[in-house]
Amino acid sequence: GQQLNQSPQSMFIQEGEDVSMNCTSSSIFNTWLWYKQEPGEGPVLLIALYKAGELTSNGRLTAQFGITRKDSFLNISASIPSDVGIYFCAGQASGSRLTFGEGTQLTVNP
Amino acid sequence: NAGVTQTPKFQVLKTGQSMTLQCAQDMNHNSMYWYRQDPGMGLRLIYYSASEGTTDKGEVPNGYNVSRLNKREFSLRLESAAPSQTSVYFCASSLTGTGVSTPLHFGNGTRLTVT
Repeated sequence: GQQLNQSPQSMFIQEGEDVSMNCTSSSIFNTWLWYKQEPGEGPVLLIALYKAGELTSNGRLTAQFGITRKDSFLNISASIPSDVGIYFCAGQASGSRLTFGEGTQLTVNP
Repeated sequence: NAGVTQTPKFQVLKTGQSMTLQCAQDMNHNSMYWYRQDPGMGLRLIYYSASEGTTDKGEVPNGYNVSRLNKREFSLRLESAAPSQTSVYFCASSLTGTGVSTPLHFGNGTRLTVT
């Protein structure tokens, strides 16, 4: 089955800094999704990408669907304390189920 | 509009006990899923139901059974709990599970401890 490698596993940053995380796949995906999970809650969808090369923003968040269709990136600009949480990428190949990355734990120090 | 509702939120079981985790969605979604989340392992699919009346095994189905009771409800049963099933369980739903992915909507999880 597909495998997703998400990095980094964790990040400790200062408020105001920019953040970048990425996922790479051993397979070609048709869909990339980025989720955020806050403590005690379920993951919530941040951005959905459906086309190679697509660049989509949601406020301070920007995600890109890699041209090779085997990777995706999530950037957070000017981080704030409420950005704390676990960020998951998820990808889906045609005819397959969604596969999740292992998550990036983000800590923002005020 | 509650979205995806899971009960209970917390549960402690002794090895060998059984229990059923309940999940309901009010978004008229066709597909429903059960995941478990363990530290450093992301979300792993246990079972899913692509549509009412169908269920299929996911990545880690051993030790679990599911029932798609109707379009709204999808339950997960542990017949004989084991310590390895200590985890956080998430139910999710999506409009459809086939073709172009429609994003999953998650419940807030059930934290299960098996002693």
